[in-house]
Amino acid sequence: GNSVTQMEGPVTLSEEAFLTINCTYTATGYPSLFWYVQYPGEGLQLLLKATKADDKGSNKGFEATYRKETTSFHLEKGSVQVSDSAVYFCALRGGSNYKLTFGKGTLLTVNP
Amino acid sequence: NAGVTQTPKFQVLKTGQSMTLQCAQDMNHEYMSWYRQDPGMGLRLIHYSVGAGITDQGEVPNGYNVSRSTTEDFPLRLLSAAPSQTSVYFCASTTTGGGLAGRYEQYFGPGTRLTVT
Repeated sequence: GNSVTQMEGPVTLSEEAFLTINCTYTATGYPSLFWYVQYPGEGLQLLLKATKADDKGSNKGFEATYRKETTSFHLEKGSVQVSDSAVYFCALRGGSNYKLTFGKGTLLTVNP
Repeated sequence: NAGVTQTPKFQVLKTGQSMTLQCAQDMNHEYMSWYRQDPGMGLRLIHYSVGAGITDQGEVPNGYNVSRSTTEDFPLRLLSAAPSQTSVYFCASTTTGGGLAGRYEQYFGPGTRLTVT
């Protein structure tokens, strides 16, 4: 079946530091890949996505590239802000067009 | 357009009590789903529905019932609550067109935090 593995947190950074959150996946076929963000006390929001190999998703300064050869979709941001503090989830949509499989989430805390 | 709404925001139950978590969406989405979020476990799919009158089990359906009598509403029922059901519950609905993710983008509600003592 499908599965998503992302780096365990928590991750604590200083403002303006570089961020990488690793995500690898196992799936049959050609899944679509997503990063969701959950701010404290809120539901999940879609941050970015990629639907085929070598696609780069980007939004709000975050980027992730769909790497089929390494089955990875790592999240990066060049300069984090305090407002980026949240839980980040990597997810994939595989055989079913509706179902998402989520990683366990990574808590990011950015200190001023 | 309120998106996906959930009630209540917080709930405390005693073991054996029953309750219904409400979920509604006003986007005319056919697909809706329920997840639970537990520390270190990510989100796990409980039940889902592909349209009014059609429901199916997800990854962790035991102890939960659902029904879908209208497109808008997808309530989740706990018939006899257990401490293992202490969790945060999220409802989501899925578009079939447009949006950041294109087709099949999931919109999440704000969640219900349930504690069973």
